[in-house]
Amino acid sequence: GAGVSQTPSNKVTEKGKYVELRCDPISGHTALYWYRQSLGQGPEFLIYFQGTGAADDSGLPNDRFFAVRPEGSVSTLKIQRTERGDSAVYLCASSLLAGDLNTQYFGPGTRLTVL
Amino acid sequence: DQQVKQNSPSLSVQEGRISILNCDYTNSMFDYFLWYKKYPAEGPTFLISISSIKDKNEDGRFTVFLNKSAKHLSLHIVPSQPGDSAVYFCAVHGGATNKLIFGTGTLLAVQP
Repeated sequence: GAGVSQTPSNKVTEKGKYVELRCDPISGHTALYWYRQSLGQGPEFLIYFQGTGAADDSGLPNDRFFAVRPEGSVSTLKIQRTERGDSAVYLCASSLLAGDLNTQYFGPGTRLTVL
Repeated sequence: DQQVKQNSPSLSVQEGRISILNCDYTNSMFDYFLWYKKYPAEGPTFLISISSIKDKNEDGRFTVFLNKSAKHLSLHIVPSQPGDSAVYFCAVHGGATNKLIFGTGTLLAVQP
């Protein structure tokens, strides 16, 4: 595929459960970003990877949130002990080079609903 | 405290007329500004950007203006087309981080 893909497109879970959200960036893109968009808000930065390492995780709201990118391509955002307030659209973006903001390509997002 | 503000949640414009979307920011250290467009069920798409060393950047029907003293930027779309109907987000990039800080968005409706 040519663009950033995210799976699943929708995820409904119960309070307290564990979820994993997957992002497949554009092939060859070294930088990967996760954002969260709550209802009526703009996307909020969560974490940024340059290659395999998390270069900036200052946006993760607490230690229930964790993300990995073990081979420098696919990334997984993991949320433990989900809470109703975690309900949002989780967006992933990638860019060819770090800081190449003009071409930060977004995926369609995963809509997470915590009941 | 919101660093990037879009005070108009929605805007309705007639086809062929000009659409003006506004954005205010709080930190004078921000050095790069972007506009993204978002359709329902899709991710945001980059539209146009401007560096703090400029006050205007134009790309076809889209022009972004930056007023650094007022910490204000605007996006002008002329002429507006029904396909422009979407949510428009203003975003800023500042300093050493690579993250984008987004506003809350403005829903533009272009009426045929």
